[in-house]
Amino acid sequence: EADIYQTPRYLVIGTGKKITLECSQTMGHDKMYWYQQDPGMELHLIHYSYGVNSTEKGDLSSESTVSRIRTEHFPLTLESARPSHTSQYLCASSGQGGTQYFGPGTRLLVL
Amino acid sequence: GENVEQHPSTLSVQEGDSAVIKCTYSDSASNYFPWYKQELGKGPQLIIDIRSNVGEKKDQRIAVTLNKTAKHFSLHITETQPEDSAVYFCAATLNFNKFYFGSGTKLNVKP
Repeated sequence: EADIYQTPRYLVIGTGKKITLECSQTMGHDKMYWYQQDPGMELHLIHYSYGVNSTEKGDLSSESTVSRIRTEHFPLTLESARPSHTSQYLCASSGQGGTQYFGPGTRLLVL
Repeated sequence: GENVEQHPSTLSVQEGDSAVIKCTYSDSASNYFPWYKQELGKGPQLIIDIRSNVGEKKDQRIAVTLNKTAKHFSLHITETQPEDSAVYFCAATLNFNKFYFGSGTKLNVKP
């Protein structure tokens, strides 16, 4: 069982609000990732980090931003939420020579 | 970058039958190929993986085969059970950096 956590699990919020999705892992993994996924659909990489103070944009353009100040923590922020941001957001981490482990996801609904 | 294609997108089998899901990849340098199972409302969970120096790997009812020459790998589930019903994703990566996912296969096992 992977020790990677996401909060909140569900979030309903109005347009224009600022939100932060939390992701933390206790495995000491250097690499962390954020994916966006519509239900049952493919995963799109939106951000990744290979270590503290390292962040890169993924293959899918996103208006969100991320930070990596501590190894175990990789929060994602939307400055002004819009209905088009409605989706599931999955956080993952991997260690040296290891596969990715996923958190349970955050389901976001922007009204 | 890497491109992973996955087929079929949906698969319906009778309980007890076998199920096979196939993926092809484009980058011959990719050297690690995990398979994930995603149940409704949850994050993807690793079920089996294979490295490029191995042709086949088996874990109870689940097996994965890799053909490096043809650049394809397959997931085999034998004696399927209703609890195998889920969405399955394949992925490919070079040295565990960015992971490239297939588009997913929705498996339905009919009792």
